[in-house]
Amino acid sequence: KAGVTQTPRYLIKTRGQQVTLSCSPISGHRSVSWYQQTPGQGLQFLFEYFSETQRNKGNFPGRFSGRQFSNSRSEMNVSTLELGDSALYLCASSLEGGQYFGPGTRLTVT
Amino acid sequence: DQQVKQNSPSLSVQEGRISILNCDYTNSMFDYFLWYKKYPAEGPTFLISISSIKDKNEDGRFTVFLNKSAKHLSLHIVPSQPGDSAVYFCAVRSYNTDKLIFGTGTRLQVFP
Repeated sequence: KAGVTQTPRYLIKTRGQQVTLSCSPISGHRSVSWYQQTPGQGLQFLFEYFSETQRNKGNFPGRFSGRQFSNSRSEMNVSTLELGDSALYLCASSLEGGQYFGPGTRLTVT
Repeated sequence: DQQVKQNSPSLSVQEGRISILNCDYTNSMFDYFLWYKKYPAEGPTFLISISSIKDKNEDGRFTVFLNKSAKHLSLHIVPSQPGDSAVYFCAVRSYNTDKLIFGTGTRLQVFP
């Protein structure tokens, strides 16, 4: 089976812009979670989707949003980008047991 | 407040020896525990997990031990290999959610 895929892999945006990141889970996985990794904060949970419904949400401002489609693919959106949003954004899918991560999208905000 | 702690930011081990990585958590409601290996600019790679009903799980060179009373888990790698050099994260999960709470990571270096 193909692993979790994320697009794009790298992205450079300027402050105030918005960005949409995409994640395709492993075939058959219905749960998708998003995480942000920064040097200062480590890996922080953003949100979790299951069957197109947000099941859990981390402590991030409303500028961070997401959704899941009927084929389990997921997108996350960050509006009004700030410099501090520069990070590696990771998507993970799960069926039972462990979560399997994609390679991430490296977002740089200038 | 850090719910999951890895108190050793780094660990250096000779090839062939045992590597022991430790992790402490604060909430007894966590019921599933995982270890991941991570290289820079890549996603974490799932290594091994254990549920709260067990105290040990083994997979090849990797063994995870869980001490619920102490709220402590550890990952043993034996024998350690240079290819094991990476950052290792423990993660915990509560029942009926996929939300993972990660520790701060331990950088393992295995030298020849």
